[in-house]
Parts: sequence; structure tokens; C-alpha cells
Amino acid sequence: ILNVEQSPQSLHVQEGDSTNFTCSFPSSNFYALHWYRWETAKSPEALFVMTLNGDEKKKGRISATLNTKEGYSYLYIKGSQPEDSATYLCAFMKTSYDKVIFGPGTSLSVIP
Amino acid sequence: GAGVSQTPSNKVTEKGKYVELRCDPISGHTALYWYRQSLGQGPEFLIYFQGTGAADDSGLPNDRFFAVRPEGSVSTLKIQRTERGDSAVYLCASSFGGGAYEQYFGPGTRLTVT
Repeated sequence: ILNVEQSPQSLHVQEGDSTNFTCSFPSSNFYALHWYRWETAKSPEALFVMTLNGDEKKKGRISATLNTKEGYSYLYIKGSQPEDSATYLCAFMKTSYDKVIFGPGTSLSVIP
Repeated sequence: GAGVSQTPSNKVTEKGKYVELRCDPISGHTALYWYRQSLGQGPEFLIYFQGTGAADDSGLPNDRFFAVRPEGSVSTLKIQRTERGDSAVYLCASSFGGGAYEQYFGPGTRLTVT
């Protein structure tokens, strides 16, 4: 059974704080790791798709790193803003034609 | 351009009834995914289409669930003899190709079985 874990389950930070959370996935047979942001009452929105060990991606104040050998990815948010409040989901694929396994998500609340 | 759309947005049905949920993907997207999301959990994979064929249907929970994509565009998720445990938000997503492409999600259909 493929298991994707995310930690912490939830996080409350002050506006301006930087934060990071972790996605853990099986380190054998890796194909891709996705990060999504899911705001309340909206659809999940793609942040990054990462395929290579050592990948680092950045979009504005949000960045992500990938370690496929040890099976983890970090998502970083620099200078958190209230509009960053959302659930952050990672999703793992072991092959291009295989199922997508989502983690349970990390719920981030940024307090003004 | 138009995003992924799903209809209906809400569906309330009685236990034992049959329901169909529809997904209209982004034009040109060959991959289409169905997920089920229960409160407090991440989306649970149900089925993945590449074109008209189901590339992976291993997430369908039992034979009451079936999905089709006859022309490689619109997809319908069909649930027979609904049970209260089927109540969830059903999400559809499409992408340009396989797993290395980001998925675009629809707004979901909230199914309530009474």
C-alpha cells in the first residue's frame, strides 16, 4: 500500500512569519510529486510538479524542494500573508500511467 | 479559457438510487481523473483516463462505481445502489498528458445520500 504523509497536520502562524511543511512518500519507483493549494470553497490549484531528485521550484514567496532518494519534499512559504491560508496537498505518482496518491494535507492559517 | 466544469454542483439522493456525475475537462486535455474527498482528508483516487480508456481504475471502491469517457472528452461517473457511505465531494481533474503535468480541478459535486 502506497502511503503519502504530510506534517504537520495544521499550522497557525503570524503574518510575516516564514513556514515550511513536509511531504513524505515511498522512495522506490518515483515518477512525480505534485503540490497543490486548496482554499476553502475553491478547487485545488497546482503549485508545482517535480520530477527530478534535487529539483527546486519557486513561485513568488513559495518554493519547494525534492529528495527522491529519501522520499520527501519540503514546501516553504516566506513572509506568510493571510491570503496564504489554505490546505496544502502533495500528491505522489510512481509511474506516468499510475494512480495519483494524495497526502492528507497541511492546513495553514495565517493570523493578521 | 474555460476551466474544468462539473455538474451538478450538489446532488441529494435516497439510499439505493442511481446517480450520474458529469465532468467536462479542459479542451485538449487527454488525461482525466476522478477523486472522492471526505471531510478532513486529501482527495482519494478513483480512476484515471488517458483518452477514452481507463488507464487505472484501481481506486473504484466496488462494482457499484463505474466511469466512462466514450469520446475522450466528457466523463461520467456512475454510482448504482447508492449508500450513505458514498456521501462525499467528487472531484474531477484534467491535465495535458500524464503524471508530469499539473492537474486542473473542477469545483466538485457534493453528493449526499440520505
